[in-house]
Amino acid sequence: KQEVTQIPAALSVPEGENLVLNCSFTDSAIYNLQWFRQDPGKGLTSLLLIQSSQREQTSGRLNASLDKSSGRSTLYIAASQPGDSATYLCAVRPNTNAGKSTFGDGTTLTVKP
Amino acid sequence: EAQVTQNPRYLITVTGKKLTVTCSQNMNHEYMSWYRQDPGLGLRQIYYSMNVEVTDKGDVPEGYKVSRKEKRNFPLILESPSPNQTSLYFCASRYPGGTEAFFGQGTRLTVV
Repeated sequence: KQEVTQIPAALSVPEGENLVLNCSFTDSAIYNLQWFRQDPGKGLTSLLLIQSSQREQTSGRLNASLDKSSGRSTLYIAASQPGDSATYLCAVRPNTNAGKSTFGDGTTLTVKP
Repeated sequence: EAQVTQNPRYLITVTGKKLTVTCSQNMNHEYMSWYRQDPGLGLRQIYYSMNVEVTDKGDVPEGYKVSRKEKRNFPLILESPSPNQTSLYFCASRYPGGTEAFFGQGTRLTVV
């Protein structure tokens, strides 16, 4: 059974810092991995989607990498801003059943002004 | 605007009283799914549907039903809600294959 772990559970940084969020998964036979942002009491907003054949994806100040063989993905946020404060979740979709996804518990990020 | 719409956003109900949470998407997505989110347990998939009239169980289907009679709608039915179904529920949709998923704003359900 796939397990997805996100460390740390919470992170607090001053504004302007670059930071890395981590996501690890136990079964490397994945179809793709997606990073989401969730604001308190709100739904999930898709940030980046990395296919299993890709190594990284970039969108603005965000860069996500994928290393399937080691079961790891990172989300790099450059020049963090208070508006980046949210919970970040990663989700993996397996090869065998494209209908099921497994989510990590998320990392709650606080960016202090 | 492309979106996934859930209703209601908030619901308080009593044990045993049947309820339905609706989910509708305007993107013509084939795939739709339901999740529940609980503190310390993260997001867990309840049911999913790959297309009209095609549904399958996720990781925590007990106590829930779904139907997919139309492509745009995927209601979640709780025939006899219990307090352990108190949770934050999310509906999601996407195209088949490796495309990104879109989520609704969530339904906070409390069963007393």
